[in-house]
Amino acid sequence: GEDVEQSLFLSVREGDSSVINCTYTDSSSTYLYWYKQEPGAGLQLLTYIFSNMDMKQDQRLTVLLNKKDKHLSLRIADTQTGDSAIYFCAEKVKTSYDKVIFGPGTSLSVIP
Amino acid sequence: DAGVTQSPTHLIKTRGQQVTLRCSPKSGHDTVSWYQQALGQGPQFIFQYYEEEERQRGNFPDRFSGHQFPNYSSELNVNALLLGDSALYLCASSFTGGGGNQPQHFGDGTRLSIL
Repeated sequence: GEDVEQSLFLSVREGDSSVINCTYTDSSSTYLYWYKQEPGAGLQLLTYIFSNMDMKQDQRLTVLLNKKDKHLSLRIADTQTGDSAIYFCAEKVKTSYDKVIFGPGTSLSVIP
Repeated sequence: DAGVTQSPTHLIKTRGQQVTLRCSPKSGHDTVSWYQQALGQGPQFIFQYYEEEERQRGNFPDRFSGHQFPNYSSELNVNALLLGDSALYLCASSFTGGGGNQPQHFGDGTRLSIL
């Protein structure tokens, strides 16, 4: 089946690292994405990783993929108040042209 | 370079009415997908259009229909509106021609409220 799960809430202090976790069920996933949504806005693509990679780093963002356990994480270094938002994990399913399955989102709160 | 644009930004309708939402894809993109995001949830896939045809559909009733125009823009139509159709409707565009490995880019959505 196609299902993506995330913890719903995370609270960190400004300057600390944030780690948002995600699990997915479809082993045929080709790409895994992290999107950010601020209040009243659409989804902003933060980063994505191909399923044959195990890590990708982009400035303050580090994505780790454990394909065996179907576990994806997003680490935000030196978290700032502007990082407060909802973060969605999503997978692109190989059996579908371009269908993307989203998790429920993790609400990140950064405490000054 | 304009990103994905959607109109209108907000809309209020009553039960039983019909609504049309519009989307212009990011420049260079040829594929448009529509998602419904209920409050507090992740986006749910409605359908996807490519080459002016619906090529993939999620678990949504036939009341939800769409169209893609030769310029790649798209419309989402919802008939016989129900209270449960209240949500943020997101349009996402991507480029299929590159092998389908390009990520989707989203617009800011249309907030639809049903009274």
